[in-house]
Amino acid sequence: EAGVAQSPRYKIIEKRQSVAFWCNPISGHATLYWYQQILGQGPKLLIQFQNNGVVDDSQLPKDRFSAERLKGVDSTLKIQPAKLEDSAVYLCASSLGRPKEAQYFGPGTRLLVL
Amino acid sequence: AQKITQTQPGMFVQEKEAVTLDCTYDTSDPSYGLFWYKQPSSGEMIFLIYQGSYDQQNATEGRYSLNFQKARKSANLVISASQLGDSAMYFCARLTSGGSYIPTFGRGTSLIVHP
Repeated sequence: EAGVAQSPRYKIIEKRQSVAFWCNPISGHATLYWYQQILGQGPKLLIQFQNNGVVDDSQLPKDRFSAERLKGVDSTLKIQPAKLEDSAVYLCASSLGRPKEAQYFGPGTRLLVL
Repeated sequence: AQKITQTQPGMFVQEKEAVTLDCTYDTSDPSYGLFWYKQPSSGEMIFLIYQGSYDQQNATEGRYSLNFQKARKSANLVISASQLGDSAMYFCARLTSGGSYIPTFGRGTSLIVHP
């Protein structure tokens, strides 16, 4: 079974530029999560999708971050414009969405904003 | 915000010994799940173990067990017979219900296993 795929793995941009990350979840997983993990901290949930609907986006900075999950499969997360404090690892995870089901994480995208 | 607290920023253990990583949580929901994940230096998060709030017995998965004390709102991870490959960051996470299952992670504990 293929795991969660993310691309790119690394990205370096200058502040005020835009960037997009892509995630392909495990086949059949209805729930998809995007997290931001700043160095030395735990993952912070940015947005959670159930199929192609948003379950929670309360911690997504909506003035600069956007995310979509078209057709309920893969997803993109965009930052426009980027700030220095957006430097972090962006993790995508997926699960079957039932309470006991674990999340399975991708390798993450390491973003550095200069 | 309902928090997950991991009070030990770093732990050291000798190979083959057992170690306990602490986790306490806030919640007002009667139904919730608790998870532990391992994050090696490579960065990928790996699921270790799950405990449901209504589960009568503590969860076990191989060398991992969860010491669940519901009244104290604690869910400590016990790793028995530590191995060098257990050196990593460990995160406790809670999944609350209330219509949708929203995950919250703690800040993590760094575990170093030395020979």
